Amino acid sequence: EDQVTQSPEALRLQEGESSSLNCSYTVSGLRGLFWYRQDPGKGPEFLFTLYSAGEEKEKERLKATLTKKESFLHITAPKPEDSATYLCAVQASGYSTLTFGKGTMLLVSP
Amino acid sequence: SAVISQKPSRDICQRGTSLTIQCQVDSQVTMMFWYRQQPGQSLTLIATANQGSEATYESGFVIDKFPISRPNLTFSTLTVSNMSPEDSSIYLCSVEAQPTHFGPGTRLTVL
Repeated sequence: EDQVTQSPEALRLQEGESSSLNCSYTVSGLRGLFWYRQDPGKGPEFLFTLYSAGEEKEKERLKATLTKKESFLHITAPKPEDSATYLCAVQASGYSTLTFGKGTMLLVSP
Repeated sequence: SAVISQKPSRDICQRGTSLTIQCQVDSQVTMMFWYRQQPGQSLTLIATANQGSEATYESGFVIDKFPISRPNLTFSTLTVSNMSPEDSSIYLCSVEAQPTHFGPGTRLTVL
């Protein structure tokens, strides 16, 4: 059974204080690992897809990395508008559906 | 990427009633998916809806409680039947695409 565990559950940062979110996963053949941002009461917004160990993707202050067992979402010099819940999900080979973690709730204070 | 819309965006319902959620996509897709996100929980797949065939439900979800229609390649509905407060969740639809995109969600509160 595919599993995704995210840590920490919640993270409070000061504006400009860089940090990382962790996503540990087990999957029977990885087709892709996804990161989403979710604002309260809204649907997840796609951020990144990673397909193989060693791959990295960047978007503004966010950088996602992937190993064979986990992925990290690095947030550099965050701003209050980065406050949201960040979701990690895996997609197994041969499947179209996703298995999600519970997310990390990030709060960035000015 | 496909643009997905959902109706209603939110609703407050009485227990014992039913609510039908609509999902519209701006392009033809073979597979559509319905997810549920209970408060403080991760997204959980309810069912996969293929046009022209019965929906496939995940363990713990049954057709009598969550009937799904898929009348064409751009539209699907999910009905939450005989609701109880435990059905209070955000309901999301998505489509088969890489990467997977989601609709804006329907926030349901059952009193």
